[in-house]
Amino acid sequence: GESVGLHLPTLSVQEGDNSIINCAYSNSASDYFIWYKQESGKGPQFIIDIRSNMDKRQGQRVTVLLNKTVKHLSLQIAATQPGDSAVYFCAENPNSGYALNFGKGTSLLVTP
Amino acid sequence: DSGVTQTPKHLITATGQRVTLRCSPRSGDLSVYWYQQSLDQGLQFLIQYYNGEERAKGNILERFSAQQFPDLHSELNLSSLELGDSALYFCASSVEGRGEKLFFGSGTQLSVL
Repeated sequence: GESVGLHLPTLSVQEGDNSIINCAYSNSASDYFIWYKQESGKGPQFIIDIRSNMDKRQGQRVTVLLNKTVKHLSLQIAATQPGDSAVYFCAENPNSGYALNFGKGTSLLVTP
Repeated sequence: DSGVTQTPKHLITATGQRVTLRCSPRSGDLSVYWYQQSLDQGLQFLIQYYNGEERAKGNILERFSAQQFPDLHSELNLSSLELGDSALYFCASSVEGRGEKLFFGSGTQLSVL
Protein backbone atom coordinates (compact mmCIF):
# COMPACT_ATOMS: atom_id res chain seq x y z
CA GLY A 1 0.00 0.00 0.00
CA GLU A 2 1.01 3.65 -0.08
CA SER A 3 3.31 4.77 2.67
CA VAL A 4 5.59 7.45 3.98
CA GLY A 5 9.25 6.60 4.20
CA LEU A 6 12.59 8.13 5.09
CA HIS A 7 15.75 8.10 3.01
CA LEU A 8 18.26 7.91 5.86
CA PRO A 9 17.75 5.99 9.08
CA THR A 10 20.60 7.82 10.90
CA LEU A 11 22.29 11.15 10.48
CA SER A 12 25.34 12.42 12.35
CA VAL A 13 26.24 16.12 12.21
CA GLN A 14 28.62 18.42 14.01
CA GLU A 15 27.33 21.05 16.33
CA GLY A 16 26.78 24.29 14.47
CA ASP A 17 26.30 22.65 11.09
CA ASN A 18 23.01 22.59 9.24
CA SER A 19 21.05 19.33 9.16
CA ILE A 20 18.80 18.06 6.42
CA ILE A 21 16.42 15.18 7.04
CA ASN A 22 14.59 13.78 4.05
CA CYS A 23 11.29 12.02 3.61
CA ALA A 24 9.61 10.46 0.60
CA TYR A 25 5.89 9.97 0.34
CA SER A 26 3.97 8.00 -2.20
CA ASN A 27 0.39 9.22 -1.81
CA SER A 28 -0.05 12.04 -4.29
CA ALA A 29 -3.40 12.89 -2.67
CA SER A 30 -1.77 13.86 0.63
CA ASP A 31 -2.46 17.49 1.38
CA TYR A 32 -0.87 18.01 4.77
CA PHE A 33 2.58 17.12 6.08
CA ILE A 34 4.13 17.45 9.48
CA TRP A 35 7.44 16.87 11.24
CA TYR A 36 7.79 15.60 14.77
CA LYS A 37 10.78 15.30 17.07
CA GLN A 38 10.95 12.50 19.59
CA GLU A 39 13.49 12.53 22.39
CA SER A 40 14.30 9.42 24.35
CA GLY A 41 11.52 8.53 26.78
CA LYS A 42 9.16 11.20 25.49
CA GLY A 43 6.26 11.47 23.11
CA PRO A 44 6.57 13.00 19.65
CA GLN A 45 6.71 16.78 19.74
CA PHE A 46 5.43 18.98 16.92
CA ILE A 47 8.11 20.88 14.99
CA ILE A 48 6.54 22.31 11.86
CA ASP A 49 3.84 21.54 9.32
CA ILE A 50 3.04 22.46 5.74
CA ARG A 51 0.03 22.19 3.48
CA SER A 52 0.24 21.01 -0.09
CA ASN A 53 -0.47 24.48 -1.48
CA MET A 54 2.90 25.64 -0.17
CA ASP A 55 6.49 24.77 -1.14
CA LYS A 56 8.29 26.11 1.87
CA ARG A 57 7.59 27.08 5.41
CA GLN A 58 9.96 28.47 8.00
CA GLY A 59 9.95 28.29 11.74
CA GLN A 60 12.52 29.03 14.39
CA ARG A 61 15.77 27.48 13.05
CA VAL A 62 13.73 24.99 11.01
CA THR A 63 12.49 25.00 7.45
CA VAL A 64 10.29 22.47 5.73
CA LEU A 65 10.44 22.09 1.97
CA LEU A 66 7.83 20.28 -0.06
CA ASN A 67 8.43 19.09 -3.59
CA LYS A 68 5.18 17.67 -4.88
CA THR A 69 6.64 16.83 -8.26
CA VAL A 70 8.89 14.16 -6.79
CA LYS A 71 6.84 13.62 -3.63
CA HIS A 72 9.62 14.66 -1.32
CA LEU A 73 9.65 16.44 2.00
CA SER A 74 12.66 17.72 3.88
CA LEU A 75 13.37 19.27 7.24
CA GLN A 76 16.27 21.65 7.52
CA ILE A 77 17.66 22.54 10.92
CA ALA A 78 20.00 25.51 11.04
CA ALA A 79 22.97 25.67 13.39
CA THR A 80 22.26 22.25 14.86
CA GLN A 81 22.64 22.03 18.62
CA PRO A 82 23.16 19.05 20.95
CA GLY A 83 19.56 19.45 22.08
CA ASP A 84 18.46 18.65 18.55
CA SER A 85 19.64 15.06 18.96
CA ALA A 86 16.48 12.98 18.65
CA VAL A 87 14.48 10.86 16.25
CA TYR A 88 12.61 12.87 13.62
CA PHE A 89 9.43 11.63 12.01
CA CYS A 90 7.61 12.91 9.00
CA ALA A 91 3.90 12.25 8.71
CA GLU A 92 1.26 12.83 6.11
CA ASN A 93 -2.47 13.22 6.03
CA PRO A 94 -3.72 11.50 2.91
CA ASN A 95 -6.40 13.68 1.38
CA SER A 96 -7.83 15.18 4.56
CA GLY A 97 -8.31 11.85 6.25
CA TYR A 98 -8.69 11.46 9.95
CA ALA A 99 -5.29 10.15 11.00
CA LEU A 100 -1.66 10.96 10.35
CA ASN A 101 0.45 8.29 8.68
CA PHE A 102 3.98 8.27 10.10
CA GLY A 103 7.27 7.29 8.55
CA LYS A 104 9.74 5.13 10.46
CA GLY A 105 11.97 7.98 11.64
CA THR A 106 15.52 9.27 11.27
CA SER A 107 17.87 9.41 14.21
CA LEU A 108 19.83 12.66 14.36
CA LEU A 109 23.02 12.68 16.41
CA VAL A 110 24.75 15.98 17.04
CA THR A 111 28.42 15.68 17.95
CA PRO A 112 30.46 18.43 19.61
CA ASP B 1 4.31 19.56 28.33
CA SER B 2 1.77 18.78 25.61
CA GLY B 3 -1.22 18.81 27.95
CA VAL B 4 -2.04 15.19 27.14
CA THR B 5 -1.83 12.90 30.16
CA GLN B 6 -1.27 9.17 29.96
CA THR B 7 -1.25 6.66 32.78
CA PRO B 8 0.45 4.50 33.78
CA LYS B 9 3.92 5.33 32.44
CA HIS B 10 5.05 1.74 32.71
CA LEU B 11 3.16 -1.52 32.80
CA ILE B 12 4.61 -4.98 33.19
CA THR B 13 2.34 -7.95 32.83
CA ALA B 14 2.25 -11.56 31.70
CA THR B 15 1.01 -13.20 28.53
CA GLY B 16 -2.71 -13.83 28.48
CA GLN B 17 -3.49 -10.92 30.77
CA ARG B 18 -5.60 -7.82 30.14
CA VAL B 19 -4.57 -4.22 30.77
CA THR B 20 -6.15 -0.79 30.46
CA LEU B 21 -4.28 2.32 29.37
CA ARG B 22 -5.74 5.72 30.16
CA CYS B 23 -5.53 9.05 28.39
CA SER B 24 -6.76 12.54 29.17
CA PRO B 25 -6.66 14.87 26.15
CA ARG B 26 -5.67 18.52 26.14
CA SER B 27 -8.31 20.84 27.47
CA GLY B 28 -10.66 21.69 24.60
CA ASP B 29 -9.59 18.85 22.32
CA LEU B 30 -12.47 16.62 21.27
CA SER B 31 -10.54 13.94 19.46
CA VAL B 32 -8.28 11.23 20.84
CA TYR B 33 -5.96 9.01 18.83
CA TRP B 34 -4.10 5.87 19.91
CA TYR B 35 -0.80 4.90 18.33
CA GLN B 36 1.49 1.94 18.93
CA GLN B 37 5.24 2.38 18.62
CA SER B 38 7.52 -0.61 18.30
CA LEU B 39 11.13 -0.75 17.17
CA ASP B 40 10.44 -2.41 13.85
CA GLN B 41 7.12 -0.79 12.95
CA GLY B 42 7.44 2.83 13.90
CA LEU B 43 4.29 4.70 14.89
CA GLN B 44 1.22 2.73 13.88
CA PHE B 45 -2.22 4.28 14.07
CA LEU B 46 -4.68 2.15 16.02
CA ILE B 47 -7.93 4.01 16.48
CA GLN B 48 -9.48 7.47 16.77
CA TYR B 49 -12.42 8.83 18.70
CA TYR B 50 -14.18 12.13 18.32
CA ASN B 51 -16.50 13.43 21.01
CA GLY B 52 -17.26 9.94 22.25
CA GLU B 53 -17.72 8.25 18.89
CA GLU B 54 -15.30 6.05 16.99
CA ARG B 55 -14.21 7.93 13.88
CA ALA B 56 -11.40 5.96 12.27
CA LYS B 57 -9.73 2.60 12.67
CA GLY B 58 -6.22 1.65 11.74
CA ASN B 59 -4.20 -1.47 12.40
CA ILE B 60 -5.93 -2.39 15.61
CA LEU B 61 -6.14 -6.04 16.59
CA GLU B 62 -9.46 -7.59 17.56
CA ARG B 63 -8.00 -8.24 21.02
CA PHE B 64 -7.71 -4.48 21.48
CA SER B 65 -10.57 -2.10 22.07
CA ALA B 66 -11.00 1.50 23.09
CA GLN B 67 -13.61 3.98 24.14
CA GLN B 68 -13.96 7.67 24.83
CA PHE B 69 -16.05 8.74 27.77
CA PRO B 70 -18.37 11.76 28.15
CA ASP B 71 -15.60 13.69 29.93
CA LEU B 72 -13.49 12.99 26.78
CA HIS B 73 -10.87 10.84 28.46
CA SER B 74 -10.14 7.61 26.65
CA GLU B 75 -9.11 4.10 27.56
CA LEU B 76 -7.36 1.50 25.45
CA ASN B 77 -8.00 -2.08 26.53
CA LEU B 78 -5.55 -4.78 25.52
CA SER B 79 -6.54 -8.37 26.21
CA SER B 80 -5.08 -11.86 25.76
CA LEU B 81 -1.70 -10.18 25.70
CA GLU B 82 1.13 -11.68 23.69
CA LEU B 83 4.87 -11.04 23.81
CA GLY B 84 4.58 -9.11 20.56
CA ASP B 85 2.25 -6.58 22.15
CA SER B 86 5.17 -5.14 24.08
CA ALA B 87 5.51 -1.60 22.81
CA LEU B 88 5.06 2.05 23.61
CA TYR B 89 1.45 3.13 23.36
CA PHE B 90 0.81 6.80 22.71
CA CYS B 91 -2.31 8.81 23.01
CA ALA B 92 -2.66 12.03 21.06
CA SER B 93 -5.37 14.63 20.90
CA SER B 94 -6.51 17.32 18.52
CA VAL B 95 -9.28 19.85 18.32
CA GLU B 96 -11.19 18.76 15.25
CA GLY B 97 -10.01 15.22 14.67
CA ARG B 98 -9.38 15.67 10.95
CA GLY B 99 -5.74 14.70 10.80
CA GLU B 100 -4.37 18.07 11.78
CA LYS B 101 -1.56 18.65 14.25
CA LEU B 102 -1.64 16.08 17.01
CA PHE B 103 -0.43 16.62 20.54
CA PHE B 104 1.08 13.49 22.04
CA GLY B 105 1.28 12.27 25.58
CA SER B 106 4.42 10.73 27.06
CA GLY B 107 3.23 7.21 26.37
CA THR B 108 2.76 3.99 28.29
CA GLN B 109 5.56 1.46 28.02
CA LEU B 110 3.97 -1.99 28.03
CA SER B 111 6.14 -5.01 28.68
CA VAL B 112 4.56 -8.43 28.29
CA LEU B 113 6.67 -11.17 29.86
